[in-house]
Amino acid sequence: QVQLQESGPGLVKPSQTLSLTCTVSGGSITNDGYYWSWIRQHPVKGLEWIGYIFYSGSTDYNPSLKSRVSMSVDTSKNQFSLHLSSVTAADTAVYYCAREGGRTDPWGQGTLVTVSS
Amino acid sequence: DIQMTQSPSSLSASVGDRVTITCRASQSIDNYLNWYQQKPGKAPKLLIYAASTLQSGVPSRFSASGSGTDFTLTIRSLQPEDFATYYCQQSYSTPPWTFGQGTKVDIK
Repeated sequence: QVQLQESGPGLVKPSQTLSLTCTVSGGSITNDGYYWSWIRQHPVKGLEWIGYIFYSGSTDYNPSLKSRVSMSVDTSKNQFSLHLSSVTAADTAVYYCAREGGRTDPWGQGTLVTVSS
Repeated sequence: DIQMTQSPSSLSASVGDRVTITCRASQSIDNYLNWYQQKPGKAPKLLIYAASTLQSGVPSRFSASGSGTDFTLTIRSLQPEDFATYYCQQSYSTPPWTFGQGTKVDIK
């Protein structure tokens, strides 16, 4: 079955760009009908949907983060990526990648990203 | 954004109890409502989608209902592995798709 795995730095300095990659295995990222999402979980604020990307490159982002978010996809590697610029301590969270098809499933295991100098 | 409000925020229950969690949307979302279970240190796991459809592999003691703005998740006979936090999520129309704040079910 499809599995997802996040990778990237666990520590990012304030004002820098957070970059994470999600590797999809057990299925093709070009499978029509699915989008590929990023979701984060703050210790206090809960789960927040960041945005998604389709294999064609079309995207949709949460308006609350839109000015700082970009996503990209590499179909040759079956990967998609998240870039969040100008990070602050408020961006410290566990970041998940996931597949979207009317519901979010499956999810990656998540990766903790801490923003600190 | 559509706001999702769960109640209660937490509850204590015993093995074998029947547990009900409610989720209310700030506007009608038809049946575009999903439920997830999350255990400490793990990613959320899909339990139910489209308000009442059980995800493959999920035990039948889990059930859910609702449409419009009001939804419920019921665990018929709570098992030790069911102690976790449960989230609802709306996937209605265009994003952002929002989550409830969660309901933590712990042992009485």
